Amino acid sequence: GESVGLHLPTLSVQEGDNSIINCAYSNSASDYFIWYKQESGKGPQFIIDIRSNMDKRQGQRVTVLLNKTVKHLSLQIAATQPGDSAVYFCAENIGGGSRLTFGEGTQLTVNP
Amino acid sequence: EAGVAQSPRYKIIEKRQSVAFWCNPISGHATLYWYQQILGQGPKLLIQFQNNGVVDDSQLPKDRFSAERLKGVDSTLKIQPAKLEDSAVYLCASSLAQGHYEQYFGPGTRLTVT
Repeated sequence: GESVGLHLPTLSVQEGDNSIINCAYSNSASDYFIWYKQESGKGPQFIIDIRSNMDKRQGQRVTVLLNKTVKHLSLQIAATQPGDSAVYFCAENIGGGSRLTFGEGTQLTVNP
Repeated sequence: EAGVAQSPRYKIIEKRQSVAFWCNPISGHATLYWYQQILGQGPKLLIQFQNNGVVDDSQLPKDRFSAERLKGVDSTLKIQPAKLEDSAVYLCASSLAQGHYEQYFGPGTRLTVT
């Protein structure tokens, strides 16, 4: 069945370091992936997306890597800042439409 | 541009009581979603509307949950009667149209059932 999950529930980094958050998915038919950031008391906020015909996409300070061979997705955050502290979710879409299936999230803590 | 609005932000009820949540999506967004987010988990889709029609309600517990979007803009989600396991944050999101994957989320309503 559909399944999106994360390897690590928590990640703690020092300010200025690079962060890598991982996500495993099980459905090879997934054709679109999104990373969301959720701060405490707020709804998820779009960070970056990638389609299954790509293996890398870069944004401002963030990079998403997709490895379809091992069904693995990662989010890299460069020069992590205290404002990056939040829970990060990966979500997948299968077969068009708008339905997203979310994983369980990784809590990123940035230490000053 | 105003974001997705939800009310109330917090609600505490006793089990077997009823509760309703309201959502106003971003202006012009045809697709509206309701998600349930249990503490420590990712959001789970309950129902998706395209304008005032239901596109996907396969994960909505229809014996107690109902939702409507009568005029294709605002939406309400109702739980009747509530159970303890309904304690969660209820998130509303909207997107331009079906097939537009970027969804914009509201702040959510935190429901506690005692």
